[in-house]
Amino acid sequence: QQQVKQSPQSLIVQKGGISIINCAYENTAFDYFPWYQQFPGKGPALLIAIRPDVSEKKEGRFTISFNKSAKQFSLHIMDSQPGDSATYFCAAPDRGSTLGRLYFGRGTQLTVWP
Amino acid sequence: DAGVIQSPRHEVTEMGQEVTLRCKPISGHDYLFWYRQTMMRGLELLIYFNNNVPIDDSGMPEDRFSAKMPNASFSTLKIQPSEPRDSAVYFCASNFMKTTGELFFGEGSRLTVL
Repeated sequence: QQQVKQSPQSLIVQKGGISIINCAYENTAFDYFPWYQQFPGKGPALLIAIRPDVSEKKEGRFTISFNKSAKQFSLHIMDSQPGDSATYFCAAPDRGSTLGRLYFGRGTQLTVWP
Repeated sequence: DAGVIQSPRHEVTEMGQEVTLRCKPISGHDYLFWYRQTMMRGLELLIYFNNNVPIDDSGMPEDRFSAKMPNASFSTLKIQPSEPRDSAVYFCASNFMKTTGELFFGEGSRLTVL
């Protein structure tokens, strides 16, 4: 079973600061690493995803950095805003599984102070 | 598209009672997943279906839990008898295999067993 280890468990950042969340995974034969964002009372929703043929992917203020040799990937939120306050989950697919079957990290609760 | 629809949104019941949670996936999606979210264990995959057929139910905690998908537009997760430790938010998610693997989650069913 895929294990995905996420840190930190919680993060407090001032408005305008950089939020960094890290994830490590074990061996995998698959090639898709997403981050999900969850607001209170809602289901998780895909935020950004990366495939390991690139080391970085940027979408607006959100960037994934991927280190295949270290089996690690991280989410960077630049110019963090109060509206970014949510729980963030990294995920990775189970080895040899179909697309869509994901195992999630334990989550990071991000609070951005105004 | 209406997204993944779950019902009920909230359920409060007494120990020993039967609980049935319902899910309508996004039309055209061929995979359906049931997840459970708790503070202690995070997001856990319980079971998933492909084309209405259960593929892996190894995450179902015990025989008190059962899930069915009688057709492409409906699935149920049943707990009988329910116990206080079943209290959690249960999410249904769906996706289409040939896409990037993005999971589309419903808003969840919050279950409280007294």
